[in-house]
Amino acid sequence: DTEVTQTPKHLVMGMTNKKSLKCEQHMGHRAMYWYKQKAKKPPELMFVYSYEKLSINESVPSRFSPECPNSSLLNLHLHALQPEDSALYLCASSQEDLRGRGYNEQFFGPGTRLTVL
Amino acid sequence: AQKITQTQPGMFVQEKEAVTLDCTYDTSDPSYGLFWYKQPSSGEMIFLIYQGSYDQQNATEGRYSLNFQKARKSANLVISASQLGDSAMYFCAMREIRGGSEKLVFGKGTKLTVNP
Repeated sequence: DTEVTQTPKHLVMGMTNKKSLKCEQHMGHRAMYWYKQKAKKPPELMFVYSYEKLSINESVPSRFSPECPNSSLLNLHLHALQPEDSALYLCASSQEDLRGRGYNEQFFGPGTRLTVL
Repeated sequence: AQKITQTQPGMFVQEKEAVTLDCTYDTSDPSYGLFWYKQPSSGEMIFLIYQGSYDQQNATEGRYSLNFQKARKSANLVISASQLGDSAMYFCAMREIRGGSEKLVFGKGTKLTVNP
């Protein structure tokens, strides 16, 4: 299984709603990532989890709250979002150790297209 | 800070021809890694190829190859025998190590259109 799955594929929410994005991988990867991608822009890293611990937070507003319940799952909890938070949210995973190859590519999910009204 | 520059917002190529997508980078680290990803309109980022700073040879993966010129700090992606399915956004990215974890810094991307 070399797939990263994300649910839902599309999400429309109001500014007062609370919702969650989910990401799952069964490749045994110990690093998982959340990216935000606005239209016609490159992905921007939000959070990195390494061995289920938050290792990088790119100064993301607190209305985005990540959670890593176990090594296969990554959630992004959303609360009181703004219209400018509308974007494609991508999840990715990778091996944590290089295993002699010298690099680890990140495997990306298909993303969740979020619209905040 | 590391920086990736892709100067071609859009490129066009005829089916079955080769195309080169440019990428230049800036880093003070002697050890670094460069990735190329493809993003079709569906949104998923697909890993294509990797080049390490100490790799002696240019990376190749099927129809994809890297023209790595270390002194010029460029890592251009060459796609041979273009296919209609190659139409997509292409991102060059550099690996950055922070807090013991890896992160990718992406360029702005190049939109490739393959014409029949």
